[in-house]
Amino acid sequence: KAGVTQTPRYLIKTRGQQVTLSCSPISGHRSVSWYQQTPGQGLQFLFEYFSETQRNKGNFPGRFSGRQFSNSRSEMNVSTLELGDSALYLCASSPESLGNEQFFGPGTRLTVL
Amino acid sequence: GENVEQHPSTLSVQEGDSAVIKCTYSDSASNYFPWYKQELGKGPQLIIDIRSNVGEKKDQRIAVTLNKTAKHFSLHITETQPEDSAVYFCAAVSGAGSYQLTFGKGTKLSVIP
Repeated sequence: KAGVTQTPRYLIKTRGQQVTLSCSPISGHRSVSWYQQTPGQGLQFLFEYFSETQRNKGNFPGRFSGRQFSNSRSEMNVSTLELGDSALYLCASSPESLGNEQFFGPGTRLTVL
Repeated sequence: GENVEQHPSTLSVQEGDSAVIKCTYSDSASNYFPWYKQELGKGPQLIIDIRSNVGEKKDQRIAVTLNKTAKHFSLHITETQPEDSAVYFCAAVSGAGSYQLTFGKGTKLSVIP
């Protein structure tokens, strides 16, 4: 099976812009989670989607949002970008609930200038 | 919410020696504890996991132990090899109404040939 794929791999934006990142889970996986990774804060949970519904949400401002499509592909959107949003954004897919194994994609490196 | 502490932050060992990384968690309802290995430029890779009804699990040179009473779990790598050099993350999933994955800050393991 193909692994989790994320596009684009690298992105450069300026403050105030918005960005959309895409994630395609492993075939058959219905749960998709998003994480932000920074040197200072480490890996932090953003949100999880299951069957097109947001099931869990971390402690991030409303500028961070996501959605999931009927084919389980997911997108996350960050509006009004801030310098502190520069990070590696990771997507992980799981076959069922979040308690099961999660498999990560390579991430999207977002740089905000 | 859940809090996961991981030690040490850096670890250097000679090739062939063992490496041990320790984590503690705060939420007694946590029931799933995965370990991830992250190499430069890649997403985290699940290497082993343990559930709260098991005390120890082994997979070749890797083992994980869990002490529910003390709320700590450890990763043991024996006969280390240079390709084991990477950043290792522990994580916990709390079953108390939320299923988000909380990560430790990571351990950078260097195996010296």
